Amino acid sequence: GNSVTQMEGPVTLSEEAFLTINCTYTATGYPSLFWYVQYPGEGLQLLLKATKADDKGSNKGFEATYRKETTSFHLEKGSVQVSDSAVYFCALMNSGYSTLTFGKGTMLLVSP
Amino acid sequence: EAGVTQSPTHLIKTRGQQATLRCSPISGHTSVYWYQQALGLGLQFLLWYDEGEERNRGNFPPRFSGRQFPNYSSELNVNALELEDSALYLCASSLGTSGGPRNEQFFGPGTRLTVL
Repeated sequence: GNSVTQMEGPVTLSEEAFLTINCTYTATGYPSLFWYVQYPGEGLQLLLKATKADDKGSNKGFEATYRKETTSFHLEKGSVQVSDSAVYFCALMNSGYSTLTFGKGTMLLVSP
Repeated sequence: EAGVTQSPTHLIKTRGQQATLRCSPISGHTSVYWYQQALGLGLQFLLWYDEGEERNRGNFPPRFSGRQFPNYSSELNVNALELEDSALYLCASSLGTSGGPRNEQFFGPGTRLTVL
């Protein structure tokens, strides 16, 4: 079956630090990969996505590259801000199915 | 353009009662998905409706059920509530199968269900 594994949090960083949140997946076929963000008290927002191997998704300074050889989709940002504090979810959608399989989420806390 | 809306925002019930949660998709979207976000369990897929039909179901007991109306809005019903049903229930919508198998899901703000 499908599964997504994320690094456990919380990840605590100072403003302007470099961020990496690791995500690896198990899936049959060629899934699409997503990062969603959940700010406190809110629902999920799509942050970025990649639909095939070697694609790079990017948005708001965040980037992630679809690595089929390592089954990974790590999220990176060069300089985090306090406003980036949120829970980040890695997810996959498998070919032929429209449901998302999520990782457990990683909380990011950025201090001034 | 209005996003996905859910009601109520909060719902408090007691064990054994029934809960009804509602979702209105983005205009033009035909698919609605329900997910449960329970503490410590992450986000788990519950149900998927498209064009009024149930297309897929997650690993949840039959007391979790729902339906999709002709205007594509949806209800999630949870019968015989148990304490562990306390969670944030998120609804998402997408263009559905007409939009291709990998089209983006847009999420609502969720309904917080508390079972006492």
